[in-house]
Amino acid sequence: DADVTQTPRNRITKTGKRIMLECSQTKGHDRMYWYRQDPGLGLQLIYYSFDVKDINKGEISDGYSVSRQAQAKFSLSLESAIPNQTALYFCATSDLVDQPQHFGDGTRLSIL
Amino acid sequence: GNSVTQMEGPVTLSEEAFLTINCTYTATGYPSLFWYVQYPGEGLQLLLKATKADDKGSNKGFEATYRKETTSFHLEKGSVQVSDSAVYFCALSPSFSGGYNKLIFGAGTRLAVHP
Repeated sequence: DADVTQTPRNRITKTGKRIMLECSQTKGHDRMYWYRQDPGLGLQLIYYSFDVKDINKGEISDGYSVSRQAQAKFSLSLESAIPNQTALYFCATSDLVDQPQHFGDGTRLSIL
Repeated sequence: GNSVTQMEGPVTLSEEAFLTINCTYTATGYPSLFWYVQYPGEGLQLLLKATKADDKGSNKGFEATYRKETTSFHLEKGSVQVSDSAVYFCALSPSFSGGYNKLIFGAGTRLAVHP
């Protein structure tokens, strides 16, 4: 079983819809992250969290919100999806500072 | 600010060729440096890392040396295989991340190895 699980793996939806992407982890890590990947741009950080009471904006948080329901669960929401949010989204976790991040397999989101 | 620049791809090589993917960075202080690899349809996996100047990270035949004087962390492999075909990302974690290891990624370099 994957240590970091993202659902759904693929989603096609329409402009204006509310979308939730979910991430769960079995690694017991405190830190969780949401990234967006666009071709030619690498990964950009959307939000990150240390625990259920700690939520921080990343580089590109506009148009997104998150919820840390438990240590193991971190959800990303698009309240009103727009086409330029079409991208590949990754969840990641990490333990102590200077330790590597562990990534899920990604959610491919297409907004028509 | 912090940034990572890596060579544009795609890089196309024959099996057993020598690989270099260039990576340079801009950062204050002493960042940690990473190479991640992304195979088709998968998430990123850590390939190697270095946390201080002159450290050499190595894994699966890949190597990279943290060069502070040239602000570089170039990825090398002496003999590539078809199975090395993937996208490679250079990344840094700033010195002062407030208890997080926030990563700043380069744009990625696609490697295609042909038999």
